[in-house]
Amino acid sequence: DAGITQSPRHKVTETGTPVTLRCHQTENHRYMYWYRQDPGHGLRLIHYSYGVKDTDKGEVSDGYSVSRSKTEDFLLTLESATSSQTSVYFCAISVTGGPTSGANVLTFGAGSRLTVL
Amino acid sequence: GDSVTQMEGPVTLSEEAFLTINCTYTATGYPSLFWYVQYPGEGLQLLLKATKADDKGSNKGFEATYRKETTSFHLEKGSVQVSDSAVYFCALAQGAQKLVFGQGTRLTINP
Repeated sequence: DAGITQSPRHKVTETGTPVTLRCHQTENHRYMYWYRQDPGHGLRLIHYSYGVKDTDKGEVSDGYSVSRSKTEDFLLTLESATSSQTSVYFCAISVTGGPTSGANVLTFGAGSRLTVL
Repeated sequence: GDSVTQMEGPVTLSEEAFLTINCTYTATGYPSLFWYVQYPGEGLQLLLKATKADDKGSNKGFEATYRKETTSFHLEKGSVQVSDSAVYFCALAQGAQKLVFGQGTRLTINP
């Protein structure tokens, strides 16, 4: 276990409400990621971070924002949740070298299941 | 952009059967290739990887060979067990630490 904790693990909310998911790591890794998992789509990258206050968009970033004020925490925020954001969200950390590494191994958290009614 | 295509699932086999899950990719350059496995209720775990053409990744009896000429990375196991029941994801990465995943293949092994 690479020491990744996601919270909450389950959440049900209503359309239009803000939601924040938290990812906490205990091993001081630089790179952190948020993915969403949906049937038929595999995992799709929402946002990622390459250091404190350094973040970038993934392929499905619309409707999401992230923040990383400390190395160990990476927050994903849905400013106004919609039903299309019902999904399972996974945080991941990179346990290999920098951007030029040819073997990008990610370790994933257990996931946060979000239901937007 | 880069993409990964996996065989349609779900796949159901009997214990001790031979397993193949097909994976093909589209990418510029020379990506690294991965298979991840997700057991029920858990996050994904790396199963095996290959970083260059003709490399063979292997772990827990599973194997996959990086075939540049056919842009494939098929997952195989000679004799599956009930405990192999899971969802399997093929993925690629090149630069910038970003993995691109296939849609996943659900495997069920019956005793």
